[in-house]
Amino acid sequence: EVQLLESGGGLVQPGGSLTLSCAASGFTFNNYALSWVRQVPGKGLEWVSSISANGGSTNFADFVKGRFTISRDNSKNSLYLQMNSLRAEDTAVYYCAKGTAAGPYIFDYWGQGTLVTVSS
Amino acid sequence: DIQMTQSPSSVSASVGDRVTITCRASQGISSWLAWYQQKPGKAPKLVIYAASNLQSGVPSRFSGSGSGTDFTLTISSLQPEDFATYYCQQATSFPLTFGPGTKVDIK
Repeated sequence: EVQLLESGGGLVQPGGSLTLSCAASGFTFNNYALSWVRQVPGKGLEWVSSISANGGSTNFADFVKGRFTISRDNSKNSLYLQMNSLRAEDTAVYYCAKGTAAGPYIFDYWGQGTLVTVSS
Repeated sequence: DIQMTQSPSSVSASVGDRVTITCRASQGISSWLAWYQQKPGKAPKLVIYAASNLQSGVPSRFSGSGSGTDFTLTISSLQPEDFATYYCQQATSFPLTFGPGTKVDIK
């Protein structure tokens, strides 16, 4: 059974940093691209960042470029999102999502999400 | 960036109704479109991928069609568990973008 379990969310002050983790199981981790998608409670889905299966290619939404870093450790079946210079508008539930074999940036499994709150 | 729009933004329907949701891309995306279902407090769930392919485990009352810029998601006979918000997403180029969502609620 595929499982994605995010952790690391919480309350952080504006300008602060946070690292989210996503522990994966139930599939061959290093065969699939992974992504982070966020959602302000009550609002729509917003793509944040993606990383290719081997970690050699990364992409970011403009609103996080230069502030967030995505990485993966294929030996630990884990995905990370390092978030720096956090702003109030980064407050959201952050989901990690697994790409499919048919398309690496179509998401067939999602974690339960971790809430990041940026507030003083 | 490719903009995704959906219509309607909400639809009220009864059990057994046929429901159709439309998604439009601001430029051609071939068939690189997915549909997700999301219920309150839950993660999204993939329903349709590559515009018309039913995700494993999803009931056959769901179907998708379209290519290029215009796509539809159809629920042939709405069931109580289908009341949710549905999002389309283009997967052809970065930044990946989602539609604003269509809420299907009980009439």
